[in-house]
Amino acid sequence: GAVVSQHPSWVICKSGTSVKIECRSLDFQATTMFWYRQFPKQSLMLMATSNEGSKATYEQGVEKDKFLINHASLTLSTLTVTSAHPEDSSFYICSASATNEKLFFGSGTQLSVL
Amino acid sequence: GESVGLHLPTLSVQEGDNSIINCAYSNSASDYFIWYKQESGKGPQFIIDIRSNMDKRQGQRVTVLLNKTVKHLSLQIAATQPGDSAVYFCAETAAGGTSYGKLTFGQGTILTVHP
Repeated sequence: GAVVSQHPSWVICKSGTSVKIECRSLDFQATTMFWYRQFPKQSLMLMATSNEGSKATYEQGVEKDKFLINHASLTLSTLTVTSAHPEDSSFYICSASATNEKLFFGSGTQLSVL
Repeated sequence: GESVGLHLPTLSVQEGDNSIINCAYSNSASDYFIWYKQESGKGPQFIIDIRSNMDKRQGQRVTVLLNKTVKHLSLQIAATQPGDSAVYFCAETAAGGTSYGKLTFGQGTILTVHP
């Protein structure tokens, strides 16, 4: 089946630094990728929709200048958490789909900001 | 500030029992529903899906039931095994066909299977 690779699986950073998370579709071209955030014991909340070659669409309440999304190719989308603070600590998950295909999820990235 | 923590519903069963996990959805326009299993520290894993033109779909040891009248979805797991222990989420989308739109996830249910 289709595989979505997410890297890194966990990252610890100091407050004020930026962290980049990569999401790759390994065996298919992902026209659309989605980024979710999940706090402990909570559900997944959609942050933004990323379409290859165009600007991401952010959900209400998500700061686009803080969570920079780049979908420069059909196999790679990146999420950069800029000037991270402890409240940004969360589990970040990407998903990807090809046109008219099912959605596949990455394995997630646990971000801890000290 | 920190998000307020929510307590996920829990379901505890004995190995070999059947499990039923329920989900209520709110968007009448949703026409495509998926159940996911999420193990600790991992991304969601697809279990089974159903379109709004169906009310029941069966997979291997799993059955999904859809009641559009009351906007209710359920996942039945037959002969539950310890490896089924995880958090289960329902998700909905107004896919309008075969492709996924944005998914809206339910709150999740923690399933614990005791040997």
